[in-house]
Amino acid sequence: AQTVTQSQPEMSVQEAETVTLSCTYDTSESNYYLFWYKQPPSRQMILVIRQEAYKQQNATENRFSVNFQKAAKSFSLKISDSQLGDTAMYFCAFMFLGSGTYKYIFGTGTRLKVLA
Amino acid sequence: EPEVTQTPSHQVTQMGQEVILRCVPISNHLYFYWYRQILGQKVEFLVSFYNNEISEKSEIFDDQFSVERPDGSNFTLKIRSTKLEDSAMYFCASSELGTYGYTFGSGTRLTVV
Repeated sequence: AQTVTQSQPEMSVQEAETVTLSCTYDTSESNYYLFWYKQPPSRQMILVIRQEAYKQQNATENRFSVNFQKAAKSFSLKISDSQLGDTAMYFCAFMFLGSGTYKYIFGTGTRLKVLA
Repeated sequence: EPEVTQTPSHQVTQMGQEVILRCVPISNHLYFYWYRQILGQKVEFLVSFYNNEISEKSEIFDDQFSVERPDGSNFTLKIRSTKLEDSAMYFCASSELGTYGYTFGSGTRLTVV
């Protein structure tokens, strides 16, 4: 069975600083994808960044980057130059081809608060 | 940018009542999904739907739940007899080719009282 673990329930960071959110996963699948989603108080699910497991190069989207360590099954998110609008719940997610369809397995989330 | 639209944004219902949550997926998408998030917990897969039938469903998706695509644009989730524990945020999503290119809707908050 696939599992996703986020060991940091809550984190805080000063505005303009850098913060790293941790995520580990467990799977026997060889073909899968990894994601970070942001959920602000509105509870909408907003895609932050995604990584294909077959790609060695770490994904980057503006201030967001990941450190993907496939052998260690680790997928951390780094947020540089943190902004107040980054305050939200962040979910790490694993996607694989289940019984005919791609589906997500989400972690329990990390609540990030950016302090002014 | 195309969106997945969910209505209503918030619904309150009496325990034991039937409720239908509605979603309009992106028009050229072929795969549709429902996920659920109980307050303070993680998002969980409920069901996937393709070619007018269920492709996969989770253990949560029991006989109280059903999905339907009644016309060419809507995708609905029905809960026949709601329980207090059905209170959650329900997210609809769609993808074009069943790959990892999901688009989530903004969710329906269901409160069962």
